[in-house]
Amino acid sequence: DTAVSQTPKYLVTQMGNDKSIKCEQNLGHDTMYWYKQDSKKFLKIMFSYNNKELIINETVPNRFSPKSPDKAHLNLHINSLELGDSAVYFCASSQAISGNTIYFGEGSWLTVV
Amino acid sequence: AQRVTQPEKLLSVFKGAPVELKCNYSYSGSPELFWYVQYSRQRLQLLLRHISRESIKGFTADLNKGETSFHLKKPFAQEEDSAMYYCALIMANQAGTALIFGKGTTLSVSS
Repeated sequence: DTAVSQTPKYLVTQMGNDKSIKCEQNLGHDTMYWYKQDSKKFLKIMFSYNNKELIINETVPNRFSPKSPDKAHLNLHINSLELGDSAVYFCASSQAISGNTIYFGEGSWLTVV
Repeated sequence: AQRVTQPEKLLSVFKGAPVELKCNYSYSGSPELFWYVQYSRQRLQLLLRHISRESIKGFTADLNKGETSFHLKKPFAQEEDSAMYYCALIMANQAGTALIFGKGTTLSVSS
C-alpha cells in the first residue's frame, strides 16, 4: 500500500532519447514535488506543483517538463537526455508544506549512456 | 539567502558511542526544520521535525535559534543507524514553498 509510487525504478537509456518517469500518490495530498539526487548525494528541488499548478520551477533545463494530469499524479518528461542527467529522481508529496511531512517515493535511478 | 549547511560529509563512530550530526541554517523568518534519513538505496524517510519535539529511534534534535543550529543527537549509536542523514528547511518565497536540503552526512557505525 505504497503512499508515493514512482515508475520505473531503474532506467538505462542512450543520450538523445526522450523518457518519462511517472509518479502517483494515494494520500490525497495537494502538493507534489520532483527532487534530483546527484552522484554526490546532493538533493535539490526541481519542481513543485500545488493543485495541478506549477508553483516552483528551480533552475532546471527546458528539456525537463513536469506534467500534472490531476492532483494525484506528477510525471516528469525529459527530452534529449544528456549524460549529466544521470541521477536518482525522487517524487514527493505533502498536504500543505508548512508543518506537514513530505513523503517521498522510492526514487527512479536514471542512467544515461 | 535560505541555506542549510551540514559541515561533515562523513561521520564514523563505534557502536555505543554518542553521535552528533551538525546542521546550521540561514533563514530570515521563523524556521521549520526537519531531519530525514536515507538507508542504502531506499527512499528518504522523515526522522523528526523540530515542531513535534519528539524522539525517534533514540534521536533528538533541538532548535537553537541563537546559534541557528539544529544538530541531531543520539547518546548510543547502533549499527543499524548507519545511513545518510539530511537536515532540511522549509523554504518560502514568492513562488511557493519547498523543502531544501543540506548536502547530507553519511553516518557509519561500526562494531
